[in-house]
Amino acid sequence: AQSVTQLGSHVSVSEGALVLLRCNYSSSVPPYLFWYVQYPNQGLQLLLKYTTGATLVKGINGFEAEFKKSETSFHLTKPSAHMSDAAEYFCAVSPGYNKLIFGAGTRLAVHP
Amino acid sequence: EAGVAQSPRYKIIEKRQSVAFWCNPISGHATLYWYQQILGQGPKLLIQFQNNGVVDDSQLPKDRFSAERLKGVDSTLKIQPAKLEDSAVYLCASSSYGGENEQFFGPGTRLTVL
Repeated sequence: AQSVTQLGSHVSVSEGALVLLRCNYSSSVPPYLFWYVQYPNQGLQLLLKYTTGATLVKGINGFEAEFKKSETSFHLTKPSAHMSDAAEYFCAVSPGYNKLIFGAGTRLAVHP
Repeated sequence: EAGVAQSPRYKIIEKRQSVAFWCNPISGHATLYWYQQILGQGPKLLIQFQNNGVVDDSQLPKDRFSAERLKGVDSTLKIQPAKLEDSAVYLCASSSYGGENEQFFGPGTRLTVL
């Protein structure tokens, strides 16, 4: 069965610093992987997804993630944090059939 | 393009009462999902519809939860009777049919059971 582990329920960075949110997955089949962002009192919004092909995936708002099969990881990064990036971020894996299995989430705080 | 609409946004009820949530997906989206998001956790799929048929309801507590999607468009999720542990945000999402298509989420309904 597929599962997702997000390391660190809370991450705090300074504005302008590198953002690194960690995600490891477990999957018995080649996975589809996703990162979603959730702003307060809003639904989830897709940041980026990996299905096949290039392992470095670029998403919206300057975020990117790299699929590393050998490490079963799909970490999310952004070179320079902005105050508006403060939100909760969810990594998800799909076992197919348009299903999503989410991790527990990482709350990102950005301070001046 | 209008997004996924949900109502109400907030609901407070006493335990053992009943409650219903409504979802209107993006026009033309064949697949509709209901998720439960408990505080501090990621969303958990409760039920997935393809048009008006159920694809997956394996994690739906069927003794108290029910859902329907009449005419393959709007959907309602009902809890009867509610328990304290049902306090959560209930998210509705929709996607177009086929492949690994993006799921678009509504703003959710925050349920508090007292």
